Amino acid sequence: AQKVTQAQTEISVVEKEDVTLDCVYETRDTTYYLFWYKQPPSGELVFLIRRNSFDEQNEISGRYSWNFQKSTSSFNFTITASQVVDSAVYFCALSEDPNFGNEKLTFGTGTRLTIIP
Amino acid sequence: GAVVSQHPSRVICKSGTSVKIECRSLDFQATTMFWYRQFPKKSLMLMATSNEGSKATYEQGVEKDKFLINHASLTLSTLTVTSAHPEDSSFYICSAMRTQETQYFGPGTRLLVL
Repeated sequence: AQKVTQAQTEISVVEKEDVTLDCVYETRDTTYYLFWYKQPPSGELVFLIRRNSFDEQNEISGRYSWNFQKSTSSFNFTITASQVVDSAVYFCALSEDPNFGNEKLTFGTGTRLTIIP
Repeated sequence: GAVVSQHPSRVICKSGTSVKIECRSLDFQATTMFWYRQFPKKSLMLMATSNEGSKATYEQGVEKDKFLINHASLTLSTLTVTSAHPEDSSFYICSAMRTQETQYFGPGTRLLVL
């Protein structure tokens, strides 16, 4: 069975600090996708990134970066120079079946990030 | 901009009534949509997978007669909470698959049953 663990339930950092959100996953499949979503107080989930299990290259998008380590089954998310607008709950998620038509997402429990001005 | 919409965003109803929530993909066709439930400060739990033109597939423990799902077109899925009770109060979120690998989520519907 698939499982996603986000051990950090809440994190608070002062604005402009860097922060890393951890995500560890379990799956028996060799092909899978990993995701990060942001959920601001409004409730809507915002898609941040999708990573294929065959692509271990790290990715950077502005102040966001992701570190995918297959050897440790981790997919960590770093925000550089954090801003108050980054305050939200962040979910890591895993999909074991990337085939069209029946993809199920398993979510972690989320990390509530608070950026202190 | 938003690619998936939900209506209503908030609803308050009396116990025993039924509530319908709509989920629409705005600029793409979605043969598969998903319905999730989220309790306060908790993660999202998949309730069911909605496939256009066929019956929904429910997750274990989700009452199909309680949560009726209809996916009548490629851009619309509806979730009806029948005979709602206070324990059904929750945040309901739908998602639609825009590509083969990625789900895009609606803004959610907050249901409060009095």
